[in-house]
Amino acid sequence: GDSVTQMEGPVTLSEEAFLTINCTYTATGYPSLFWYVQYPGEGLQLLLKATKADDKGSNKGFEATYRKETTSFHLEKGSVQVSDSAVYFCALSGVSGAGSYQLTFGKGTKLSVIP
Amino acid sequence: GAGVSQSPSNKVTEKGKDVELRCDPISGHTALYWYRQSLGQGLEFLIYFQGNSAPDKSGLPSDRFSAERTGGSVSTLTIQRTQQEDSAVYLCASSQRGSEYNEQFFGPGTRLTVL
Repeated sequence: GDSVTQMEGPVTLSEEAFLTINCTYTATGYPSLFWYVQYPGEGLQLLLKATKADDKGSNKGFEATYRKETTSFHLEKGSVQVSDSAVYFCALSGVSGAGSYQLTFGKGTKLSVIP
Repeated sequence: GAGVSQSPSNKVTEKGKDVELRCDPISGHTALYWYRQSLGQGLEFLIYFQGNSAPDKSGLPSDRFSAERTGGSVSTLTIQRTQQEDSAVYLCASSQRGSEYNEQFFGPGTRLTVL
């Protein structure tokens, strides 16, 4: 079945540092790829998405490029802020055998940014 | 507009009791999903509803779990004879329609603790 593997955390960075969170996937067909973020005490929010190979999703300074050849969707940000401290989830969406479009998530990476 | 709402936000119950968790999706969204977020298993898909079609129950972990969606809107997840391993945060999400491209909007979750 489909699966998502992302780097284990926690990750601790200083403010203005460069961030990379690795994500690779296994899926049949051509899934859509997502990064969701969960800020402390809040629900899951979509951060960015890409629906086909070579698409780049971007939002709030974060970027991720859909790489079909390496089955990867790594999240990057050039300069993190304290407010970026959260748990980040990589996910894919594809049609299941039963015809539904559920998300398959990675285990999440907790990011802490210190001033 | 209003987002996805869930109730209760917290539920503490004794082993062996039944619980009901409620989800109000965003108005007009035809697709509704239930997920479970637990420390050991991460985020797992449970069940998917799309309009009036038969639900995809392939993610339900046992026959103690069931869900219904009345009138294509509100959904209730029922867990019978709760066990300690059922302790988790139960998340509901909705999207405009079932599709790998459509963003799923998540509710704040219900934290279930089984003593």
